[in-house]
Amino acid sequence: LAKTTQPISMDSYEGQEVNITCSHNNIATNDYITWYQQFPSQGPRFIIQGYKTKVTNEVASLFIPADRKSSTLSLPRVSLSDTAVYYCLVGENGNKLVFGAGTILRVKS
Amino acid sequence: NAGVTQTPKFQVLKTGQSMTLQCAQDMNHNSMYWYRQDPGMGLRLIYYSASEGTTDKGEVPNGYNVSRLNKREFSLRLESAAPSQTSVYFCASSPTVNLGETQYFGPGTRLLVL
Repeated sequence: LAKTTQPISMDSYEGQEVNITCSHNNIATNDYITWYQQFPSQGPRFIIQGYKTKVTNEVASLFIPADRKSSTLSLPRVSLSDTAVYYCLVGENGNKLVFGAGTILRVKS
Repeated sequence: NAGVTQTPKFQVLKTGQSMTLQCAQDMNHNSMYWYRQDPGMGLRLIYYSASEGTTDKGEVPNGYNVSRLNKREFSLRLESAAPSQTSVYFCASSPTVNLGETQYFGPGTRLLVL
């Protein structure tokens, strides 16, 4: 199973762009890269998923370089409500997803 | 459309007691999962059910059993609870276990074993 490495925590201010980078050096050919968000006392919530290059949705962007050994989640103009834990996962199938400890993002006013 | 629901929300058990955690989804998903999350850690997969009638072990299955009662419901049973099973338990579902499928999580059950 592919292992991921993320920063333990990050601090930001409202209105700033936040970039969280995840390292996954042993990603397999069939693995997708998926990011989840978790608020306290809630289950994780899907944010974005990609295989290569760049993916953008209404919430975030995901940048994946050609070698796919890392990925960067970009949150534009964060607000206080974006304070949460962000998990980077790589996996081929749903039964093989591995959650690491995640990155605690704290957004300050 | 409630998504994934879990009962109970919170439970206290004594060592050796048994209990069943219930999970139901109304999204007509084929696959369902049980995870546990310990303080400050990510989620770990206990068991999953790729489709109705099948169940398989995940990363940490010891001390647990599961039943896929029908397409909607997937229960997790602790036969003899231990303090090491104190955790938050999340149920999730996805359309299938196939490549790229998104998992949808329930609100969790907080279990304390004394």
